[in-house]
Amino acid sequence: AQSVSQHNHHVILSEAASLELGCNYSYGGTVNLFWYVQYPGQHLQLLLKYFSGDPLVKGIKGFEAEFIKSKFSFNLRKPSVQWSDTAEYFCAVNALGGYQKVTFGTGTKLQVIP
Amino acid sequence: NAGVTQTPKFRILKIGQSMTLQCAQDMNHNYMYWYRQDPGMGLKLIYYSVGAGITDKGEVPNGYNVSRSTTEDFPLRLELAAPSQTSVYFCASSYRAGFAEKLFFGSGTQLSVL
Repeated sequence: AQSVSQHNHHVILSEAASLELGCNYSYGGTVNLFWYVQYPGQHLQLLLKYFSGDPLVKGIKGFEAEFIKSKFSFNLRKPSVQWSDTAEYFCAVNALGGYQKVTFGTGTKLQVIP
Repeated sequence: NAGVTQTPKFRILKIGQSMTLQCAQDMNHNYMYWYRQDPGMGLKLIYYSVGAGITDKGEVPNGYNVSRSTTEDFPLRLELAAPSQTSVYFCASSYRAGFAEKLFFGSGTQLSVL
């Protein structure tokens, strides 16, 4: 069965600091990987996704993530965070072959201090 | 285009009461899902549907029922509410299952069972 681990539960950064949120998945086959974001009071929305090809994926609002197959990782990065990036971030995986069962990680709450 | 609409946004139930969480989408999506989000636990799939008249259990279906009589609507029924069902419930939809298919989420229903 597929699973997703997010190791950072709560991250506090000052504006302009760099961000890296860890995500590891466990599944031996081909996967799609996603990062969703939930801003305060809003619903989850897709930040970026990896399907195939270039392992470095760029998303909205300056976010990017790198798929490293050998490490089963899909870490989210942003070189300089803003106060408006304060949100909860969820990594998710969808494995080939099953119905579309998207498994989510436990989430990382990011707080950016002005 | 409203996307995925959930009602109500908040609800308090007494133990043993029943209620239906409503979910509607206007994107003609075939696939619809119900997730629950508990603090520090990520999102867990309760039920999903691949089309009108077809539903199936997810990871945590006990205590819930669903129906899908139309493409647009996917209500979630709680029978005999229990404190363990206190959670935030999200409905989501996607056009199809398969690779890299983005989920569209509703704004959530915060349910407390006291």
